[in-house]
Amino acid sequence: QVQLQESGPGLVKPSQTLSLTCNVSGGSINSGSYYWTWIRHHPGKGLEWIGYIRSSGSTYHNPSLKSRVTISIDTSTNQLSLKLSSVTAADTAVYYCARGGGKIPVYFDYWGQGTLVTVSS
Amino acid sequence: QSVLTQPPSVSGAPGQRVTISCTGSSSNIGAGYDVQWYQQVPGTAPKLLIFDNNNRPSGVPDRFSGSKSGTSVSLAITGLQAEDEADYYCQSYDSSLSIWVFGGGTKLTVL
Repeated sequence: QVQLQESGPGLVKPSQTLSLTCNVSGGSINSGSYYWTWIRHHPGKGLEWIGYIRSSGSTYHNPSLKSRVTISIDTSTNQLSLKLSSVTAADTAVYYCARGGGKIPVYFDYWGQGTLVTVSS
Repeated sequence: QSVLTQPPSVSGAPGQRVTISCTGSSSNIGAGYDVQWYQQVPGTAPKLLIFDNNNRPSGVPDRFSGSKSGTSVSLAITGLQAEDEADYYCQSYDSSLSIWVFGGGTKLTVL
């Protein structure tokens, strides 16, 4: 059974960089043709897709986030990471990592528990 | 505003049938992209409930079913149980935005 677990600071100051890590267990992040994905949930609003990375290192992120997003993968530690720069209060959300599988475009069959990140001074 | 539109809330008594709608447009559901449904009990991770419009992952009861028509989809839950009380989200892909998109979520209350 694949399990994902997010970790990182719960509080980030405006204009700084949000950094989160997702640990994947129960399967290799390097196996299969999965899209390792970050999704966030703003308080009181819907879910927003942030971006994905594949084990090959190819990435793609939501154009609305412009160039603030960096997603990386470390196959040696079975982890993926998210960095979001120049954060504002609008980036306050619960951040999830998820595995994208199935036929293209993929769906998200395993999710982490999520971690709340608050942007505040 | 979410790209996919869901009712904010629905409710039903135990044993009843409820449906949750999800409306998209010609660049997502109407373009033929499959729809997924996720169930989220507050404080827990979202769980895949329905994939590819009407397929259930292993372990999901057959009380849950999905259907699709044009630019809309529906999730039906029969034999409502207290444990079904949760938030439900639809999800698809949008070719105009080139991103995965979600509905705003529907809170199901079991009376």
